[in-house]
Amino acid sequence: AQSVSQHNHHVILSEAASLELGCNYSYGGTVNLFWYVQYPGQHLQLLLKYFSGDPLVKGIKGFEAEFIKSKFSFNLRKPSVQWSDTAEYFCAVNALTSGTYKYIFGTGTRLKVLA
Amino acid sequence: KAGVTQTPRYLIKTRGQQVTLSCSPISGHRSVSWYQQTPGQGLQFLFEYFSETQRNKGNFPGRFSGRQFSNSRSEMNVSTLELGDSALYLCASSLASTLQRGDQYFGAGTRLSVL
Repeated sequence: AQSVSQHNHHVILSEAASLELGCNYSYGGTVNLFWYVQYPGQHLQLLLKYFSGDPLVKGIKGFEAEFIKSKFSFNLRKPSVQWSDTAEYFCAVNALTSGTYKYIFGTGTRLKVLA
Repeated sequence: KAGVTQTPRYLIKTRGQQVTLSCSPISGHRSVSWYQQTPGQGLQFLFEYFSETQRNKGNFPGRFSGRQFSNSRSEMNVSTLELGDSALYLCASSLASTLQRGDQYFGAGTRLSVL
């Protein structure tokens, strides 16, 4: 069965530290990849997405992610985090399953940035 | 443009009862998906509706059902509630006619507590 793994469940960083959140998926076909963010008390919102083309995609607020097909990975990065990046981050895969597309989400990574 | 609206925001029910949750998508969006979000499990896909038809269904028991109306509003029903049904239920709408490339826009969710 298709799955999305986020190995870091909780991450604590100091401001200005670099961030990398891991995401691996298990699916052999064509996938579309997403990172969503849920700030405290707010809706889940799209951070960035990959459909095709340049495997390095840039999103909002200085985030970027790199699709490495050979590793089935789509890791999220930010060179220098801010206190306002404290949130829960979800990786998601959109894949063709039984003739239709559906989303499969990872279990999320809670990021806490210390001021 | 109004976002995805979910009502009610909070619900408290007891075991054995049934509950109906409502979702109004963004105007013009015809696809509505439902997810269950719990700590440690992340978001789990319940089902997706498009033009009043259920297009896809996740691995949940038959106690979970839904429907979509001609105005694209959707309802989700859970019958014979169990303690394990306590969760945040999220609704997401999409403009795309398929979920292959459509961005999903999430509502704030309905937090259901089963006592």
